[in-house]
Amino acid sequence: DAKTTQPNSMESNEEEPVHLPCNHSTISGTDYIHWYRQLPSQGPEYVIHGLTSNVNNRMASLAIAEDRKSSTLILHRATLRDAAVYYCILRGWNSGNTPLVFGKGTRLSVIA
Amino acid sequence: EAGVAQSPRYKIIEKRQSVAFWCNPISGHATLYWYQQILGQGPKLLIQFQNNGVVDDSQLPKDRFSAERLKGVDSTLKIQPAKLEDSAVYLCASSAGRTSGNTIYFGEGSWLTVV
Repeated sequence: DAKTTQPNSMESNEEEPVHLPCNHSTISGTDYIHWYRQLPSQGPEYVIHGLTSNVNNRMASLAIAEDRKSSTLILHRATLRDAAVYYCILRGWNSGNTPLVFGKGTRLSVIA
Repeated sequence: EAGVAQSPRYKIIEKRQSVAFWCNPISGHATLYWYQQILGQGPKLLIQFQNNGVVDDSQLPKDRFSAERLKGVDSTLKIQPAKLEDSAVYLCASSAGRTSGNTIYFGEGSWLTVV
């Protein structure tokens, strides 16, 4: 899997939007961009994934740059429960059951 | 739908002792993974099973770690003898593994402290 680069930590005020960046300059044309997050004392959980177009679900939005070399996970209104480590991971199109390869992720702190 | 179940949740042992962790994946999930997560780092894959066969165990320290998934459902991960550097969270995960982009589901983890 291609490598991703994320800031070590970010901070946000409660109820404000949060933009978590991820750089993946060596992404291949068939790599999907996945985001997982890990709440304190929990295992990682799926957030969202996309290939080329921006994606929305009930948890977040994923904005993908036109050249696909970067992406941004958007939490529209951060809550205290969103404080977690967020991982940006690339997976090939035929990844089926291939494992996730985690970096260090971005630790998001949310301030009340 | 029940999630991935792991036990025990917490374990403290002395170095050179043995420990075993148990995992029950989501029903119907053919693929099962064990990850090790050291404090401050992202999870690292130890072993992957497809049904009851090993797909990848290249990062499993086989001199002290072993894992099995005898009937293609539950799995156990064993460490014997434990070292101080084995202190970590051991995460079990499972997936249906049929399509690209499929979701991998994680348990809450088993926290091991070796003293």
